[in-house]
Amino acid sequence: NAGVTQTPKFQVLKTGQSMTLQCAQDMNHEYMSWYRQDPGMGLRLIHYSVGAGITDQGEVPNGYNVSRSTTEDFPLRLLSAAPSQTSVYFCASSYEAGRTGELFFGEGSRLTVL
Amino acid sequence: AQSVTQLGSHVSVSEGALVLLRCNYSSSVPPYLFWYVQYPNQGLQLLLKYTSAATLVKGINGFEAEFKKSETSFHLTKPSAHMSDAAEYFCAVSDIGDYKLSFGAGTTVTVRA
Repeated sequence: NAGVTQTPKFQVLKTGQSMTLQCAQDMNHEYMSWYRQDPGMGLRLIHYSVGAGITDQGEVPNGYNVSRSTTEDFPLRLLSAAPSQTSVYFCASSYEAGRTGELFFGEGSRLTVL
Repeated sequence: AQSVTQLGSHVSVSEGALVLLRCNYSSSVPPYLFWYVQYPNQGLQLLLKYTSAATLVKGINGFEAEFKKSETSFHLTKPSAHMSDAAEYFCAVSDIGDYKLSFGAGTTVTVRA
């Protein structure tokens, strides 16, 4: 059982470049979300989705886009990378839309923007 | 929106000693509360959760947490620390019926032999 799979695990970008972080889950979870983790700040919610075709903004959405065309996939797009987006990104999913259920996390994608 | 405050960014304990990690939430309405653990270079995994049932919640790996409404707290404890408990611990909160989970800043636990 793969759970939540994120790719790539590591990426280095130059300022202004764009890229997509991939997230796929094989648990048929309706709820998926993206967080970024920065030292001393915990995890902050970027975007989330409660089902295919439905997305919404979290706490820190600026500079990021998402889409949810299937239940399994929830890619995160950086439109024009900035050094402030250097972080570790986590995708997480849940079977109860995150309300009382457990969030299942991927192993993270470490992004460095030069 | 709900928020949580974790007191102490680093905690160092001796092997076999009590582990106590503090978490306070912001709302006067009891929310749902969670503790997650992150081992080095891994994602987070759920230790335990409070969803308005028993106030003393038992989790995995011998951890437990007590919900105290009067103190707006949800502190995490383990009676006897093991070397394998070295990790970062996050308290998290969500409003009842809300999808979004808000995390505290995290507490790094070091276990001394």
